Amino acid sequence: LAKTTQPISMDSYEGQEVNITCSHNNIATNDYITWYQQFPSQGPRFIIQGYKTKVTNEVASLFIPADRKSSTLSLPRVSLSDTAVYYCLVGLMIKAAGNKLTFGGGTRVLVKP
Amino acid sequence: NAGVTQTPKFQVLKTGQSMTLQCAQDMNHNSMYWYRQDPGMGLRLIYYSASEGTTDKGEVPNGYNVSRLNKREFSLRLESAAPSQTSVYFCASTGQGAPEAFFGQGTRLTVV
Repeated sequence: LAKTTQPISMDSYEGQEVNITCSHNNIATNDYITWYQQFPSQGPRFIIQGYKTKVTNEVASLFIPADRKSSTLSLPRVSLSDTAVYYCLVGLMIKAAGNKLTFGGGTRVLVKP
Repeated sequence: NAGVTQTPKFQVLKTGQSMTLQCAQDMNHNSMYWYRQDPGMGLRLIYYSASEGTTDKGEVPNGYNVSRLNKREFSLRLESAAPSQTSVYFCASTGQGAPEAFFGQGTRLTVV
């Protein structure tokens, strides 16, 4: 499983865009990049998954450069409720049986008024 | 659908006591996982089960045992609880039909 490195914490203000970059230098050809969000006292929740280029959904965008050695989660116009810990995972797509889901320390995002 | 259900939600144990944390999913998922999360830390994988009948160690398996009772249920047992096992425990499951893992609400365990 590819090791990931992401910032420990980030502060932002309401209405701003938050970009969290995750480094995964030894990503394998078959690996996907997945981001999860965790609020206090809750289990993580899936945000977005991608393989290359750009993926967008109603919550976030995921930018993956051509070499795939890093990825950036973009949260547009954050609100106070976006204060959470964000985890970057790299590995086989969940659909593959036996995917050993391993979480790192995550990035604590604090959105201020 | 209930998704992933964990019981109990809270538990206090004395050192040396044993207990089993229960997890059940109703999404017909093949794979199930147990994590622990210490205060201010990320999730650490204890054990996982890729499919019914199989279990494998994760990052921190010592002091724990698991049973994949059937496709729906995956239990975590502490044979002799220690204060170092005080943590929040999360169960998760993944299946063929969706790209994400689904998590339970967690069990907050305190060992005194």
